[in-house]
Amino acid sequence: GQQLNQSPQSMFIQEGEDVSMNCTSSSIFNTWLWYKQDPGEGPVLLIALYKAGELTSNGRLTAQFGITRKDSFLNISASIPSDVGIYFCAGLKGTSGSRLTFGEGTQLTVNP
Amino acid sequence: DTEVTQTPKHLVMGMTNKKSLKCEQHMGHRAMYWYKQKAKKPPELMFVYSYEKLSINESVPSRFSPECPNSSLLNLHLHALQPEDSALYLCASSQGKQPPGTYEQYFGPGTRLTVT
Repeated sequence: GQQLNQSPQSMFIQEGEDVSMNCTSSSIFNTWLWYKQDPGEGPVLLIALYKAGELTSNGRLTAQFGITRKDSFLNISASIPSDVGIYFCAGLKGTSGSRLTFGEGTQLTVNP
Repeated sequence: DTEVTQTPKHLVMGMTNKKSLKCEQHMGHRAMYWYKQKAKKPPELMFVYSYEKLSINESVPSRFSPECPNSSLLNLHLHALQPEDSALYLCASSQGKQPPGTYEQYFGPGTRLTVT
């Protein structure tokens, strides 16, 4: 099935550094979602984006909906150890009750 | 409140057992989902219920049988599973047919299933 290209696959950073990850697709999405998943837990929604060009923040997190509607990025500023986890982007083409298309995830490790 | 609850947290079952996973949400959401997730991989969609009717079945084997008794509950009945079915099973919900801005899916904590 269709996939989103998420990069990087993994990141090893020092506490306090900024982080950037992105997702790209060959097709258009109407909604972009960013999730964080801790080991053994379900994904937690971080940010939802609905309009091309939209820039949204949630604390130290900032995400943007690409102007072409084919990409999105997530930035984390001043990383802390609890930012460790897997970050997934997900795109949605249609309405609620439709399929989410997920990226493969970015594994983030933060060294204190 | 954006909470989706799932029980049990962990389940170990033999290949001849019958068991059920349960999911509940009280957000008034009208779409509910079952996903299967393998380690370090994204969730894979299994089933979607929209307004208590099955709307998407992603060609899931019949040993997995979903059920939506009402708008708040979603079950996944398991029978004659294989060891390769061991995974984290996630339930999610989202609002029904609403204006844009309400399509995000909220996930439960998952059930860690081990088939022996």
